[in-house]
Amino acid sequence: DTAVSQTPKYLVTQMGNDKSIKCEQNLGHDTMYWYKQDSKKFLKIMFSYNNKELIINETVPNRFSPKSPDKAHLNLHINSLELGDSAVYFCASSQSRTGGFLGSPLHFGNGTRLTVT
Amino acid sequence: QQQVKQSPQSLIVQKGGISIINCAYENTAFDYFPWYQQFPGKGPALLIAIRPDVSEKKEGRFTISFNKSAKQFSLHIMDSQPGDSATYFCAASLRYRGSTLGRLYFGRGTQLTVWP
Repeated sequence: DTAVSQTPKYLVTQMGNDKSIKCEQNLGHDTMYWYKQDSKKFLKIMFSYNNKELIINETVPNRFSPKSPDKAHLNLHINSLELGDSAVYFCASSQSRTGGFLGSPLHFGNGTRLTVT
Repeated sequence: QQQVKQSPQSLIVQKGGISIINCAYENTAFDYFPWYQQFPGKGPALLIAIRPDVSEKKEGRFTISFNKSAKQFSLHIMDSQPGDSATYFCAASLRYRGSTLGRLYFGRGTQLTVWP
């Protein structure tokens, strides 16, 4: 009954490979995100989708491509992996309707630790 | 450019003590200030949050103090326990292109260790 689930939990791959990370949420939220957490634990937003529409697209190399087949899923595909892509990638979701509070909490998955060798 | 500045980077407190983590921001358009708690191997989880029209919010042992004029806010953990040992992130939210969808800017995190 995990709210936001990501697979795989660990991903070890070589430079130049292409890999995907999958994310699913069962909270009924309409907005999903990808965050990158570096080795110093800094959390940086990469993408945000609302009802399958791309809302936030930060300065991320175009080797990273999110895909949202429906509002419960947001996958991340990475082409031509580089050493600097090594990080923990978190998927998150939230409800865009704020219920009177100017912000709705993010629900994070447990992360995918990507190691590029 | 770091939108939200957080300090200290790490904090060691004895059990029963008070943990204080501070954050500062520049953008007066921020309209929501949450704190997230992250345990090793887990994703961050919302701990407590405050709006800028309130100066303090308390939930159990956790209190946010908010100083709008100074553009600062802090998290106080009273009676700190070893189970509170985690990384704490402050954040600030901004409407994105007029949307009500909050765009969260995180501080760099504080690693809290509470010794028994």
